[in-house]
Amino acid sequence: EVELVESGGGSIQPGGSMRLSCVVSGFDFSTTWMHWVRQAPGQGLVWVARINSDGSGTRYADAVKGRFTISRDNAKNTLFLQMSSLRVEDTAVYYCTRDGKGYYYDFWGQGTLVTVTS
Amino acid sequence: QSVLTQPPSVSGAPGQRVIISCTGNSSNIGAGYDVHWYQQFPGTAPKLLIYTNSKRPSGVPDRFSGSKSGTSASLAITGLQAEDEADYYCQSFDIALGGSRVFGGGTKVTVL
Repeated sequence: EVELVESGGGSIQPGGSMRLSCVVSGFDFSTTWMHWVRQAPGQGLVWVARINSDGSGTRYADAVKGRFTISRDNAKNTLFLQMSSLRVEDTAVYYCTRDGKGYYYDFWGQGTLVTVTS
Repeated sequence: QSVLTQPPSVSGAPGQRVIISCTGNSSNIGAGYDVHWYQQFPGTAPKLLIYTNSKRPSGVPDRFSGSKSGTSASLAITGLQAEDEADYYCQSFDIALGGSRVFGGGTKVTVL
């Protein structure tokens, strides 16, 4: 059974840093592209970042470029999102998602809430 | 402002058919990129409902169907049931600005 479990969210002040983790199981993580997608309270879904299977290639949404870093540890089946210079508008539930090899997301984690507030 | 446009809400009585539209442009759906649909209940993660325009993952009832034509796509729910009340999002790929995956703003389906 495929499982993705995020952790690391919480409340933080503007300008702060936070690292999200996503531990996966039930599939070969080392051969799978992964993404982070976020959802602000009461709003829609927005793609944040993606990483290829060996971690050598990453891409970011313009809104987070230069502030967020996606990475992975294939030995530990874990995906990360390092967030810095956090802004109020980064407040959202952050979902770890698996790439379905057709530009879609076939499995999602339960999400972790990040609240940026003074 | 989402790249893909969906109606904010649609409603129907149990047993009826409802259709949710997803309108894009020549840099996403119109460029030939596939459309995918997700279902989300309040407080839970989205779930893949339709992929590659019209394919259903295992376990998704056949009352859900998808189609794509030109610069738009549609999700149809036939024989609407109370448990279908949820938010639905379309998603595609957009080649503009270097290429990225894009979502619609979401549609709330209400069962009357």
